[in-house]
Amino acid sequence: ETGVTQTPRHLVMGMTNKKSLKCEQHLGHNAMYWYKQSAKKPLELMFVYSLEERVENNSVPSRFSPECPNSSHLFLHLHTLQPEDSALYLCASSQGDNEQFFGPGTRLTVL
Amino acid sequence: KQEVTQIPAALSVPEGENLVLNCSFTDSAIYNLQWFRQDPGKGLTSLLLIQSSQREQTSGRLNASLDKSSGRSTLYIAASQPGDSATYLCAVRNNAGNMLTFGGGTRLMVKP
Repeated sequence: ETGVTQTPRHLVMGMTNKKSLKCEQHLGHNAMYWYKQSAKKPLELMFVYSLEERVENNSVPSRFSPECPNSSHLFLHLHTLQPEDSALYLCASSQGDNEQFFGPGTRLTVL
Repeated sequence: KQEVTQIPAALSVPEGENLVLNCSFTDSAIYNLQWFRQDPGKGLTSLLLIQSSQREQTSGRLNASLDKSSGRSTLYIAASQPGDSATYLCAVRNNAGNMLTFGGGTRLMVKP
């Protein structure tokens, strides 16, 4: 768990708030990912960054905005979210196509 | 579009039993397959990674097999312990791109 860290671990926000989730990896990897895990749904990939460039965006609403300033840090900026966006947001990293390592997640509640 | 299914969705066994978790996928053109463990409210812990050219991987009491042509993988847990209680997730990476497609998971409860 210490290889990939996420902050905050829990976040409660109103629909008009702006907040950011942070992920940091200490594994020297060159790819980072954001996933969303909702109740009773499989994990869904949101964004992939490889070599600091966004490679995939699975049609995620624009109220989610990722940022990858360097290979060790990944942010997810949130604004005007909806209650259905409440979920566990997981960050992961990998070296190329190899094994992905996950952080502990941020439990987000949108009121 | 790749779809991953895990059966059963939930499983309860007494301590000491050997058990098998199943994962099936619709598109056999995979790059690798990964098994994860997730404790309630926590992140994922990688258990085993099987490359498309491999048939199985072992780590301690865990053994994962892969039959690409039939679109199946199994995770075998020997001599189950209460500490094995968790949700087990299977994820497939296709040949194209970095995307992992996850199954819905199997929630395992091992009773003392």
